[in-house]
Amino acid sequence: DGGITQSPKYLFRKEGQNVTLSCEQNLNHDAMYWYRQDPGQGLRLIYYSQIVNDFQKGDIAEGYSVSREKKESFPLTVTSAQKNPTAFYLCASSMSGRGFNEQFFGPGTRLTVL
Amino acid sequence: QKEVEQDPGPLSVPEGAIVSLNCTYSNSAFQYFMWYRQYSRKGPELLMYTYSSGNKEDGRFTAQVDKSSKYISLFIRDSQPSDSATYLCAMRADYNNNDMRFGAGTRLTVKP
Repeated sequence: DGGITQSPKYLFRKEGQNVTLSCEQNLNHDAMYWYRQDPGQGLRLIYYSQIVNDFQKGDIAEGYSVSREKKESFPLTVTSAQKNPTAFYLCASSMSGRGFNEQFFGPGTRLTVL
Repeated sequence: QKEVEQDPGPLSVPEGAIVSLNCTYSNSAFQYFMWYRQYSRKGPELLMYTYSSGNKEDGRFTAQVDKSSKYISLFIRDSQPSDSATYLCAMRADYNNNDMRFGAGTRLTVKP
């Protein structure tokens, strides 16, 4: 059963804490992405990775960190430096290369700061 | 000005109606145009994509791209209650799969 899994589904964080969101895919995709979704705004790219051990900042990387030690895993850490972390976080993956490569999305993690 | 503009709605229609969803954009480099459907508290799923200008049909769904006007549309014929969701337009340039730009999404409700 191929796909993308994200955990946890809901996450609550106290101010000043770091939290890590999990993303795993078994689609054998090279590329993985993290997006943030806020009400009334489109998805915004936080980080992406085209290959293991390499990743690039997206439009809103400040206050976030990632790692890509394995092809199937791309965890996102929301640090205490992120001023407004309450949002819905989506992980996606795709093939790489020229042409159209569909991005497949996971079910998301809703993070709330208490 | 946002790079991609999409009316957030909400839009409510009776079952069987034709639905028209639209986005405008400002970046003339965009070549791939996507429509995603997102059910409440779920991840988006790709409905259709179009390359460059033209129309594409898939069952009850038709996507149109007018690059001269920087305007894209998604039409849903014979709408069903199961079509109730948020519809996101997305687009990117030809050369960069990493730089997709999304609209804010239009929330659609189809009433039985």
